[in-house]
Amino acid sequence: EDKVVQSPLSLVVHEGDTVTLNCSYEVTNFRSLLWYKQEKKAPTFLFMLTSSGIEKKSGRLSSILDKKELFSILNITATQTGDSAIYLCAVWVSGTYKYIFGTGTRLKVLA
Amino acid sequence: SAVISQKPSRDICQRGTSLTIQCQVDSQVTMMFWYRQQPGQSLTLIATANQGSEATYESGFVIDKFPISRPNLTFSTLTVSNMSPEDSSIYLCSVVTPYLWEQYFGPGTRLTVT
Repeated sequence: EDKVVQSPLSLVVHEGDTVTLNCSYEVTNFRSLLWYKQEKKAPTFLFMLTSSGIEKKSGRLSSILDKKELFSILNITATQTGDSAIYLCAVWVSGTYKYIFGTGTRLKVLA
Repeated sequence: SAVISQKPSRDICQRGTSLTIQCQVDSQVTMMFWYRQQPGQSLTLIATANQGSEATYESGFVIDKFPISRPNLTFSTLTVSNMSPEDSSIYLCSVVTPYLWEQYFGPGTRLTVT
């Protein structure tokens, strides 16, 4: 059965800290992996990753994919209270025409 | 990217009633989905809304409870029927863009059933 697992489930840090969120997957036919930030209702798209070793970067956020070891990480440097959210990853499995979501990581950044 | 609108934004409904949620996209997309997110949980896919044919439901979701319409490539509705308090959730529509296969979400509908 295809599955996506995120760790840790929750995390509390102080402003200025750097955090690393993990997303591992076991799927039959990987195509792409997405990262989202969810603050209130709707997840906001952050990154799409399809190739190993190519870092995607946006401001203080960056992400990389390892297709050999079947995981991705999302790094947030110099965290701010506005980074407090649930971070979701999702994997597209070819042939199923849908994304499978992980459980999410709840990040809380304290001032 | 895709711009998606959804309405209502929130609603409080009595058990036994039904609510229809609308989803409008600013461009034609083939793949449109409906998700549910119960309190404290991750996203659960309800169904894929297929244009011109019946929706494809995930395990645990049935058409009688969650009928879906997709009359064209920019619009879909999800109805939550005969609601119970367990249906209290955020309901989200999403689309996957062609070629890039990026998935975008509408703003969501927060449903509370009393």
